[in-house]
Amino acid sequence: GAGVSQTPSNKVTEKGKYVELRCDPISGHTALYWYRQSLGQGPEFLIYFQGTGAADDSGLPNDRFFAVRPEGSVSTLKIQRTERGDSAVYLCASSPLLVLGAYEQYFGPGTRLTVT
Amino acid sequence: GENVEQHPSTLSVQEGDSAVIKCTYSDSASNYFPWYKQELGKRPQLIIDIRSNVGEKKDQRIAVTLNKTAKHFSLHITETQPEDSAVYFCAAASPPGNTGKLIFGQGTTLQVKP
Repeated sequence: GAGVSQTPSNKVTEKGKYVELRCDPISGHTALYWYRQSLGQGPEFLIYFQGTGAADDSGLPNDRFFAVRPEGSVSTLKIQRTERGDSAVYLCASSPLLVLGAYEQYFGPGTRLTVT
Repeated sequence: GENVEQHPSTLSVQEGDSAVIKCTYSDSASNYFPWYKQELGKRPQLIIDIRSNVGEKKDQRIAVTLNKTAKHFSLHITETQPEDSAVYFCAAASPPGNTGKLIFGQGTTLQVKP
């Protein structure tokens, strides 16, 4: 079946602009995660959705970052007033309904964000 | 919060040899430990995982072991092949709340020389 998809694959924006990154999870997966991966580093957790609600947003670096998942499927990560330090690959992952102790997450291809 | 340390950062082996990558974690309540393989410019791919109630799991040429007492887990790849060359990341699911939030190690670049 179709995997996690993300659009756009690449985004170049100027410092101070607003960007939106989209994630389409695997059909039926209720859990959705956003991570950020800088060059040479492991993914860093940003936010987790169970259904429509953000159950854990402890990884969002500041209030310029916001994410929504209004219908419990597609999610959008929104970044206001972008800064050069926001440049990274933004990864989305989805997981089926959680069984305690089983959190298999399947990643999308990522959106490479470059802030100039 | 949870912290995951991974080593070595780079590993070079001859084709056919075994490779071992080790990770330690800090939070004894962590209960799920996946391993991901990431090729250059590609998405992380889940290759194997282990839950805290299991000590070892094997899938063909790869295996993972978990020592809860020592808070470390390892990835073992036997009979390595050039296509195993990639960056490997370990991770731990960080409580509380059983959200499945993953904390990743820094990655190991594995090079398998033909």
